[in-house]
Amino acid sequence: SAVISQKPSRDICQRGTSLTIQCQVDSQVTMMFWYRQQPGQSLTLIATANQGSEATYESGFVIDKFPISRPNLTFSTLTVSNMSPEDSSIYLCSLAGLAGDETQYFGPGTRLLVL
Amino acid sequence: KQEVTQIPAALSVPEGENLVLNCSFTDSAIYNLQWFRQDPGKGLTSLLLIQSSQREQTSGRLNASLDKSSGRSTLYIAASQPGDSATYLCAVTTTTSGTYKYIFGTGTRLKVLA
Repeated sequence: SAVISQKPSRDICQRGTSLTIQCQVDSQVTMMFWYRQQPGQSLTLIATANQGSEATYESGFVIDKFPISRPNLTFSTLTVSNMSPEDSSIYLCSLAGLAGDETQYFGPGTRLLVL
Repeated sequence: KQEVTQIPAALSVPEGENLVLNCSFTDSAIYNLQWFRQDPGKGLTSLLLIQSSQREQTSGRLNASLDKSSGRSTLYIAASQPGDSATYLCAVTTTTSGTYKYIFGTGTRLKVLA
């Protein structure tokens, strides 16, 4: 497995502002993903973070709202832009493809509350 | 469009009981299926991964089976303990042109009573 850390672990933000969430992995991994988990709901994939190129977004998610960076194989950021209360969720990064292992591993999550 | 459903949505059992959690998916063209547990306010912990060519996987008191043709997977927990209380999620993986996509089920909230 791998050690995955996310910063911040939680935050309370005002509407209209932006928050950048960092995901750091202690190993080089092929695939990294960002998910959203709204209160009481399951996980929804936001995008696949591609190293050195633009992220691949799922239907309903756009780059202007959720810009993602992945400058190398161990680090990625997700920005939640122009936040509204509907963005209050847990945001999770995950990885797969570690040493040929298809298992998906998750970070501890970032709990975001937008007022 | 792949949809993943888990039944029951919530379950409360006395300690020591054996139990089965169900996961159904609508499109049998999956690459693999993974079971996770999630403790309140936490990330997900991987429990078991079953490849599409496999029928079951075991880890300790956990056994997961896969019937791809019928679009079903079950997670069997033997001799349940209060520490097993969590939300259990299944996720199917599909692949298209080398791109992997993970679709999560709705989850089963399990409470094991001491």
